[in-house]
Amino acid sequence: GQQVMQIPQYQHVQEGEDFTTYCNSSTTLSNIQWYKQRPGGHPVFLIQLVKSGEVKKQKRLTFQFGEAKKNSSLHITATQTTDVGTYFCAGPPGGGANSKLTFGKGITLSVRP
Amino acid sequence: EADIYQTPRYLVIGTGKKITLECSQTMGHDKMYWYQQDPGMELHLIHYSYGVNSTEKGDLSSESTVSRIRTEHFPLTLESARPSHTSQYLCASSAQGGGTGELFFGEGSRLTVL
Repeated sequence: GQQVMQIPQYQHVQEGEDFTTYCNSSTTLSNIQWYKQRPGGHPVFLIQLVKSGEVKKQKRLTFQFGEAKKNSSLHITATQTTDVGTYFCAGPPGGGANSKLTFGKGITLSVRP
Repeated sequence: EADIYQTPRYLVIGTGKKITLECSQTMGHDKMYWYQQDPGMELHLIHYSYGVNSTEKGDLSSESTVSRIRTEHFPLTLESARPSHTSQYLCASSAQGGGTGELFFGEGSRLTVL
C-alpha cells in the first residue's frame, strides 16, 4: 500500500534558525496536505498543494510539491517558539473518489529560545 | 474555528465497560472520519463515512463500531473496552472526498482503560 514517509521524527533548532523537513511518497499523489498539531492539541490544516512543482507561502512557511508529485517540503524561515509542534504531511494514494488521506508519522519540532 | 465537537474530552473507564464517543459537526459535511492517535505518533484511520447510512472500516483494524444516522452526527462505540483501547480518538470532517480538501478535526477524546 501507499506509504507517506517523514524522516526524521524529531528535530531541535535554535530560535531564529531556518528549518526544512521533507515528505516522500512511494506513489504519485494527486495532492499533498500539511497539518500542524500543537502539543496536547489536534491537527490543524495548513495547506494543500495540487500542481506539480507548486510552491505556496504562508508568512515564514514555504511549501513545495515535487515535480514528480511524490515528495514535498516545508521550510520555516527564522523559527520562533510558536512554531513548536508536530507537522504532518498527508496524501491520497493515486486520487479517485474513494481515496482517503494517508498521514506520515510527522516531525516534531522543538525550538530553543 | 472549525465547528466540530467531540465529547467527552477525557474518559477513564474500567475494562469491560461500553463506551460511546460523540462527534458532531455543524458544517453540513457529508464526509466524516475517525482517527486513532497514540501520544506523539501518527494518525491511523479507523472508520469513515461518506454520507448518511454509509460507513466503512479504515486502514487500521479496530474493534470499535460507528453509525451515521444523521449527517451531523458520527458516534464511535466500543462494546467492551480493554486497556489496549487506551488512545486518543480524533473525529474529522471534510466537504470533499477522494482525499482532497481540508480535514477539520475535533479536539479529540482521550480514552484511558484501566
